Amino acid sequence: GQQLNQSPQSMFIQEGEDVSMNCTSSSIFNTWLWYKQDPGEGPVLLIALYKAGELTSNGRLTAQFGITRKDSFLNISASIPSDVGIYFCAGRPSYNTDKLIFGTGTRLQVFP
Amino acid sequence: KAGVTQTPRYLIKTRGQQVTLSCSPISGHRSVSWYQQTPGQGLQFLFEYFSETQRNKGNFPGRFSGRQFSNSRSEMNVSTLELGDSALYLCASSSDGLNTEAFFGQGTRLTVV
Repeated sequence: GQQLNQSPQSMFIQEGEDVSMNCTSSSIFNTWLWYKQDPGEGPVLLIALYKAGELTSNGRLTAQFGITRKDSFLNISASIPSDVGIYFCAGRPSYNTDKLIFGTGTRLQVFP
Repeated sequence: KAGVTQTPRYLIKTRGQQVTLSCSPISGHRSVSWYQQTPGQGLQFLFEYFSETQRNKGNFPGRFSGRQFSNSRSEMNVSTLELGDSALYLCASSSDGLNTEAFFGQGTRLTVV
């Protein structure tokens, strides 16, 4: 099935560093969602974006809905060990807004 | 407000058997989607139900089926299990599934031996 291009695939960073990951698509999206998944658990919704250009924060997390509506990014500032996990972007394409398409995930590892 | 509840959490089945997984969405949500997650394939979309009707379908064989009840609870069934069906099965609920957020359950870990 269709998946969004998410990068990087994995990141290994030092505690306290900032992190940036992004998602791109060839199609226009109406909604972008960012999730975090811990091993063996379901993804947890972090941030939801609904308008092109929208910038939304949730604590140390900031996400933006790209102006072209074909991309989104997620930043994590001052990373801490509990940020470890897999981060997924997901979006609802304009051609089928009841469909939710997922990115391939970014695996984040934080070293103390 | 209770979250999305999936049962059972863990399941071990033998090849050739069938299995039924259950998902209770957030109260008031009418859209339920099912995903299969394996280490190499990420989150693969199975199907989505809205108001008891299958609205979207992924590219899975007919052994994978689902249904939704009038109270929006959903079940998915896998018949003639294969080793490759071992995965984490996740369901997500949203209010109407149109440009809205989706919330996931904890998943059912299915192991086929």
